[in-house]
Amino acid sequence: SQQGEEDPQALSIQEGENATMNCSYKTSINNLQWYRQNSGRGLVHLILIRSNEREKHSGRLRVTLDTSKKSSSLLITASRAADTASYFCATEEGSGSRLTFGEGTQLTVNP
Amino acid sequence: DTAVSQTPKYLVTQMGNDKSIKCEQNLGHDTMYWYKQDSKKFLKIMFSYNNKELIINETVPNRFSPKSPDKAHLNLHINSLELGDSAVYFCASSQAASGRRGEQFFGPGTRLTVL
Repeated sequence: SQQGEEDPQALSIQEGENATMNCSYKTSINNLQWYRQNSGRGLVHLILIRSNEREKHSGRLRVTLDTSKKSSSLLITASRAADTASYFCATEEGSGSRLTFGEGTQLTVNP
Repeated sequence: DTAVSQTPKYLVTQMGNDKSIKCEQNLGHDTMYWYKQDSKKFLKIMFSYNNKELIINETVPNRFSPKSPDKAHLNLHINSLELGDSAVYFCASSQAASGRRGEQFFGPGTRLTVL
């Protein structure tokens, strides 16, 4: 199976609710990143968490990283319709700058 | 003031043709990438160049040949196009010199359809 597996594959919530997406990976990493992709667009970087960090915040985003379980979660609080997009986790490992992407979570926020 | 730009945005062509996709970044980054996103949205790296030198070359058919004339450009040439090449191709860049790691900036994508 792939490095950076995500669940759920799809998530549908109401505006104002929180959305949580999870990502699991298999190897040792330098960092883990989350990206958003709106339909028909390129990926936009949201947040990066290094392997020695456990939690990071950016606005309404909260990311956690558990290297012992090789997992990460992305929490979006007080969701908005504009948050509707696909969300991908990506891990960077080794000495290069290669990113390995997960399969993504499609988030739909209903107004 | 576009950071990473790609041309064309859409490319429709016949099987067997040769085509190129161009990418330019104006961020001053030293590393550029090509990714392929399939119909299930799975994104996989194809190539990476650092300062015009190839540093990542995934298992990609040799019909795909990247070319980096300078640090700001990374073009992708595809020979003898096949139906399975239909996908969205994304260019990206990052500043990865001196062990610095960080976010990658993506272009808007080129949707390639092979008929």
